[in-house]
Amino acid sequence: QVQLQESGPGLVKPSGTLSLTCAVSGGSISSSNWWSWVRQPPGKGLEWIGEIYHSGSTNYNPSLKSRVTISVDKSKNQFSLKLSSVTAADTAVYYCAKEIAAPSGYWGQGTLVTVSS
Amino acid sequence: SYELTQPPSVSVSPGQTARITCSGDALPKKYPYWYQQKSGQAPVLVIYEDSKRPSGIPERFSGSSSGTMATLTISGAQVEDEADYYCYSTDSSGNHWVFGGGTKLTVL
Repeated sequence: QVQLQESGPGLVKPSGTLSLTCAVSGGSISSSNWWSWVRQPPGKGLEWIGEIYHSGSTNYNPSLKSRVTISVDKSKNQFSLKLSSVTAADTAVYYCAKEIAAPSGYWGQGTLVTVSS
Repeated sequence: SYELTQPPSVSVSPGQTARITCSGDALPKKYPYWYQQKSGQAPVLVIYEDSKRPSGIPERFSGSSSGTMATLTISGAQVEDEADYYCYSTDSSGNHWVFGGGTKLTVL
């Protein structure tokens, strides 16, 4: 069974860059799947951030596109999220997921990132 | 940017049928998906590709769509179905996914 685990700093300073990694176990990131990032501000709804295919093709939320980079590291079987110029509005639980739109999809448990000085 | 619109809340008594709607301009051409999220947990897919139910999801969950509106129906809602429900779909390009604002289902 595939498992995903997010990791990264839980506190980021305003104007800094949020960096998270999603480690994939129980399966290969090189399989034919889309790997995604989703976030959820405290007490609010889900927001799709973007996705990456194993080949490196990406799609991003238009409202975040100028600040987001998603990349894949096949050698480490993981993929990553970078979000630049963060503000308090970027405080959220960040989830990584495999194939959100499929019954074979999996989600990580989520990690809270707080933007504060 | 593309939006999916859901009612903020729906309330039913146990055993009644709950219906949660989701409207979006691209829904006539793009499949809707439905996620259930209980407090403090990651979302769980309950309906995919409009009306298909993943393994392990109770039969009381069903999905349908007509035109620009998709509907998640919970027939005979149970107390354990209390959760936030999100519709999920793409814009007309198929490259940008969107979650609806979410609907809080209360069963009491």
